[in-house]
Amino acid sequence: EADIYQTPRYLVIGTGKKITLECSQTMGHDKMYWYQQDPGMELHLIHYSYGVNSTEKGDLSSESTVSRIRTEHFPLTLESARPSHTSQYLCASSDLGGREQYFGPGTRLTVT
Amino acid sequence: GQNIDQPTEMTATEGAIVQINCTYQTSGFNGLFWYQQHAGEAPTFLSYNVLDGLEEKGRFSSFLSRSKGYSYLLLKELQMKDSASYLCAVAGGYQKVTFGTGTKLQVIP
Repeated sequence: EADIYQTPRYLVIGTGKKITLECSQTMGHDKMYWYQQDPGMELHLIHYSYGVNSTEKGDLSSESTVSRIRTEHFPLTLESARPSHTSQYLCASSDLGGREQYFGPGTRLTVT
Repeated sequence: GQNIDQPTEMTATEGAIVQINCTYQTSGFNGLFWYQQHAGEAPTFLSYNVLDGLEEKGRFSSFLSRSKGYSYLLLKELQMKDSASYLCAVAGGYQKVTFGTGTKLQVIP
């Protein structure tokens, strides 16, 4: 069973607010990922990290930022939330071999 | 870049066998994943193929042909709980994983 956690699970917030979505894993995985997924649509990679102090942008342009100060923690921040940010955000991690990605339960964000 | 194609929807009967195909064109290839995703939930890992051939895991099997850029997921003895989306994903350079749009499978009695 995967040990990857995301908080909050659900968030409703007003336009212009700053928010941070938390993701942590206890498996010691070096690689971590953030995906964005709208209902019934495909997953889009928005950020990934290969280890501490490593962050890269994914395929989908995103106004969010990430940091990787500790191996187990990969938070995603939106400086000023907008209704277009309404989506589900999924965090995942894998070991260096990348043979399996474990997904967290997701954060469903609604910006009003 | 990465391009991954799979059928949008499929319907199959309980107890039957269904094959979900996936074709890909990628700039690098390190492996191909299949995930199952129920509506509103996170994806769960089904299989990972690196080498050509068939890998069997219970009712689920996955096949890969790297030269053809082709994979399929085979589900046997279908159960109603298998109704879900099945996602094909390719690990490219630096293990960056790109997902296809997913195939929504409906299992009917």
